[in-house]
Amino acid sequence: GAVVSQHPSWVICKSGTSVKIECRSLDFQATTMFWYRQFPKQSLMLMATSNEGSKATYEQGVEKDKFLINHASLTLSTLTVTSAHPEDSSFYICSANTDTGMRYEQYFGPGTRLTVT
Amino acid sequence: GESVGLHLPTLSVQEGDNSIINCAYSNSASDYFIWYKQESGKGPQFIIDIRSNMDKRQGQRVTVLLNKTVKHLSLQIAATQPGDSAVYFCAEGDSGGSNYKLTFGKGTLLTVNP
Repeated sequence: GAVVSQHPSWVICKSGTSVKIECRSLDFQATTMFWYRQFPKQSLMLMATSNEGSKATYEQGVEKDKFLINHASLTLSTLTVTSAHPEDSSFYICSANTDTGMRYEQYFGPGTRLTVT
Repeated sequence: GESVGLHLPTLSVQEGDNSIINCAYSNSASDYFIWYKQESGKGPQFIIDIRSNMDKRQGQRVTVLLNKTVKHLSLQIAATQPGDSAVYFCAEGDSGGSNYKLTFGKGTLLTVNP
């Protein structure tokens, strides 16, 4: 149980275009979803937290107009990287938690590798 | 972007040995801690967690120790196997905060030599 999927698993796009990444909880309803970015050989950095039907809360230094988050349902959140640039190339990982069991445990997706050329 | 010259701490052990991975956390208010394992190109995988009202918790082949006095956490892996090779992250959180956010540590690369 508690499986989170991401789509696509990898994407290459040209500079200036936008890319959408989907995060789905497959067998549970996600109270909250989180988006992280991870550069090579570095830790996970939280970008934003989203609750279904609410605006996302962005961490300091993360541009909300560049990284658009839509949490349309209890099982789906999307991250859109707008006007992507090579420095946005990274590994993007989503996670979700539920309101049952250990509230603080986050279930992670497999990640999406974004390369901007 | 990526910081030039940044290196993950590394730990290299022989198969069958015990491994100890350490983590220093920063927030005195943190009251839950989780260890994650991340294999190359994949998302983090839950290993074990511990609440601040405990100082030790055991799982299958793994033990987590918590020292709140010095804000230190460790993960012990018994009889380390090649399949344990991965990056290990500790994460901390404050249940009094919002949304049960996690703050991840730097990570340690564990390499198990057969």
